Amino acid sequence: AQSVTQLGSHVSVSEGALVLLRCNYSSSVPPYLFWYVQYPNQGLQLLLKYTSAATLVKGINGFEAEFKKSETSFHLTKPSAHMSDAAEYFCAVSKGTGGTSYGKLTFGQGTILTVHP
Amino acid sequence: DTAVSQTPKYLVTQMGNDKSIKCEQNLGHDTMYWYKQDSKKFLKIMFSYNNKELIINETVPNRFSPKSPDKAHLNLHINSLELGDSAVYFCASSQDPLAGTRRYEQYFGPGTRLTVT
Repeated sequence: AQSVTQLGSHVSVSEGALVLLRCNYSSSVPPYLFWYVQYPNQGLQLLLKYTSAATLVKGINGFEAEFKKSETSFHLTKPSAHMSDAAEYFCAVSKGTGGTSYGKLTFGQGTILTVHP
Repeated sequence: DTAVSQTPKYLVTQMGNDKSIKCEQNLGHDTMYWYKQDSKKFLKIMFSYNNKELIINETVPNRFSPKSPDKAHLNLHINSLELGDSAVYFCASSQDPLAGTRRYEQYFGPGTRLTVT
């Protein structure tokens, strides 16, 4: 079985400060990992994904994440927060092909990011 | 152009009623999904269809029945609605999970907020 744990349900930063949202995963097979963002009353938008290529992945809106197998982590970072980054962020894991579970995403509990002026 | 659309956006109904939520994608994807987001924002997959064939069916009450008339549409019918069905339901789509590195990129609709009273 796969699982995702997001450490910290709420993260608050000042505008211009570093954003760090933590995600740890558990998977019996090499995982595919994703970060999604959800703005209020909207659907989820893919920020970035790791699919066994480069371990440092760059996404939209200046976000990036690094896959660290030894730490089973996929933390999301952004060097300088903007007010527009305030949203809820979800980490998700998917496993490989075949069987009845391909394509299935397992989500973490979400982290609400608040950005203060 | 809306990639993944859902109707209705809001649905308020009484216990015991039967209701449907419709989903359409114009991305040419082969696979579609239904997710449920509960009041704590936890997202969990319910169903997945690939080319109109059911491939993922999580532990969901039989009152929930997905129907895929063609690969661009995946509707969700719910019988005998219960209070616990209140949630936001998201439709998503992706390319066939076996179709290369883009296979796990899922595109989400805006959600349908279902309130059962």
